Amino acid sequence: TQLLEQSPQFLSIQEGENLTVYCNSSSVFSSLQWYRQEPGEGPVLLVTVVTGGEVKKLKRLTFQFGDARKDSSLHITAAQPGDTGLYLCAGAGNYGQNFVFGPGTRLSVLP
Amino acid sequence: NAGVMQNPRHLVRRRGQEARLRCSPMKGHSHVYWYRQLPEEGLKFMVYLQKENIIDESGMPKERFSAEFPKEGPSILRIQQVVRGDSAAYFCASSPQGIGGNQPQHFGDGTRLSIL
Repeated sequence: TQLLEQSPQFLSIQEGENLTVYCNSSSVFSSLQWYRQEPGEGPVLLVTVVTGGEVKKLKRLTFQFGDARKDSSLHITAAQPGDTGLYLCAGAGNYGQNFVFGPGTRLSVLP
Repeated sequence: NAGVMQNPRHLVRRRGQEARLRCSPMKGHSHVYWYRQLPEEGLKFMVYLQKENIIDESGMPKERFSAEFPKEGPSILRIQQVVRGDSAAYFCASSPQGIGGNQPQHFGDGTRLSIL
């Protein structure tokens, strides 16, 4: 069974600070996606990474896929209160038909 | 430009009743996924369907739960004889192609099921 772990579980920071959250597994994934979910809503896709070592930037967000395609990180520069939410990573296995989701990192950015 | 539509948004049932959750995928999407989320947790995969076919139901309990995606109409997740432990948020996602194509999933806003 493929499992994804995310750390930290909770993170509370001040506006303007930088942060990194992690998504780790002992399994290899063919691709990995990051989502942000706000209370009462469904997850919204932020990025998909496919190639080992790949780095993608989305404004103040930088996503990296590990060389071995077992882990990923999300770095946010100069966090803003609007970044508050639950950040979920999800991996697609090499043979599976479904995505495996991590438990999420709950980020709170205080003004 | 409608996204994934789920209804109802909130559903209250008594123990032993049936719950029917509906999901209309985005226009042009023929792949539907159902997930379950408990408070403070991530999403747990339940079932993956393509029009008229169940592709992967490995995450769905064998008893009381069923899903369908007919040729016409929304996908339905049905829970029979509900118990308190079925209380959760149920999310549906759709994609134009299957997961093998690294297609993004577009999520609805979920149905919050409460069992009294």
